Amino acid sequence: GENVEQHPSTLSVQEGDSAVIKCTYSDSASNYFPWYKQELGKGPQLIIDIRSNVGEKKDQRIAVTLNKTAKHFSLHITETQPEDSAVYFCAATYRGYSTLTFGKGTMLLVSP
Amino acid sequence: GAGVSQTPSNKVTEKGKYVELRCDPISGHTALYWYRQSLGQGPEFLIYFQGTGAADDSGLPNDRFFAVRPEGSVSTLKIQRTERGDSAVYLCASSRESNTEAFFGQGTRLTVV
Repeated sequence: GENVEQHPSTLSVQEGDSAVIKCTYSDSASNYFPWYKQELGKGPQLIIDIRSNVGEKKDQRIAVTLNKTAKHFSLHITETQPEDSAVYFCAATYRGYSTLTFGKGTMLLVSP
Repeated sequence: GAGVSQTPSNKVTEKGKYVELRCDPISGHTALYWYRQSLGQGPEFLIYFQGTGAADDSGLPNDRFFAVRPEGSVSTLKIQRTERGDSAVYLCASSRESNTEAFFGQGTRLTVV
């Protein structure tokens, strides 16, 4: 089955800095890679996703890049704000539907 | 509804008891997923429904766990003879089709004492 590794497990940045979270996956058949933000006591919220036929996708301050050859993908957050503080999860799916294998998460702390 | 709704939000039960957890997906979403999230971990897949049928139940840990979705909308996750190791947050998600983005509910925190 699929295995997703996520790094770092914690990330502390100053407000206004950029943050980068990296994930690798094991199954070359994986074709959909979403990123979720989870705040304390809440369910994961989809913030951006990318499919295997695209190398990069941006949405305002958030971008995701995908390297299919190396089997890794990254989340980039620019101009971080305190409200970006949360746990971020990457995920991958190879089954042709949206059943996801998640990474272990990255706790992002943005200090004012 | 506006989002995926799960009830109850918290459930405390004694070891050996039976529990049911409910999920109301987003209206019109045909696909429904159950995940389990232990403290400090990412969600782990349990079961996937397409319509009324369980298309993939490979994530269910053992036969104490069972889920139904009789009318293709609301789903219930059932756990028999609960064990302390079942304590976790149980998350439900739904998507419009089987290969589109999934939206999660807030979860049910199950504590087995």
